[in-house]
Amino acid sequence: DAEITQSPRHKITETGRQVTLACHQTWNHNNMFWYRQDLGHGLRLIHYSYGVQDTNKGEVSDGYSVSRSNTEDLPLTLESAASSQTSVYFCASSATGDNEQFFGPGTRLTVL
Amino acid sequence: GQSLEQPSEVTAVEGAIVQINCTYQTSGFYGLSWYQQHDGGAPTFLSYNALDGLEETGRFSSFLSRSDSYGYLLLQELQMKDSASYFCAGNTGGFKTIFGAGTRLFVKA
Repeated sequence: DAEITQSPRHKITETGRQVTLACHQTWNHNNMFWYRQDLGHGLRLIHYSYGVQDTNKGEVSDGYSVSRSNTEDLPLTLESAASSQTSVYFCASSATGDNEQFFGPGTRLTVL
Repeated sequence: GQSLEQPSEVTAVEGAIVQINCTYQTSGFYGLSWYQQHDGGAPTFLSYNALDGLEETGRFSSFLSRSDSYGYLLLQELQMKDSASYFCAGNTGGFKTIFGAGTRLFVKA
C-alpha cells in the first residue's frame, strides 16, 4: 500500500545544531508540504513543492529550507535550530489537481 | 492577512448533531477543506467544498457560502470516536492551504 513516512519520529537536539527531518511518500504525488503544529496555532505551512526542483516558501519559512531532488522525498532542514522551533512537524502530499492531502505520522522535535 | 476562525471547543452528547463553524479571510480563496485529528495522530481528510452548498459524506456534511466567507462541518449521530480536533483549511491557490487553529470536539455519553 502507498504511504507517507517521516523520520525520525522523535528528535532532541541542541540550539544551533543543523537538523534534517525526512519525509518519504510512495503515492507518486507531485505536491508535498511541510507544516508545524503548535498549540493554539493549528497547522502552519513552512514550505511546499509542486514537483522535482520546485520549492516555495510558506507562511513560517524563516530558519527552514527544503530541497526536492526526486518525487518521493522532501527533506526539511533547520539550518541552526532554535528553541522556538520546538514543535510537531507534519509532512503531507497530494496529487496534482486534488485537494486531499495525506499526512505522515509527524516528528516531534525538541530544541534544548 | 489570511486567517480562518473556528471555535476552540465544542461539547455534544453521543447520538446528537453538532455543527462546527469556520469563517475565513484570505486574499485568494478556491475552496474549503475539513480535517480530523485524534490526539497523537495525523490529520485525515474529511471533505472539500469548491462550490457553495452542502456536500454529504455519510454522517459528515460540509457546507460553504462564498458570499458570507463561511463554512461549517456537520456531524450527525455522534459517536464517542468522533471526539477529536477538527480543522478547516482554505485553499488559497495552487493547493496551498491555510489551516484554522482547530476545534476540539468532546463527545459525552
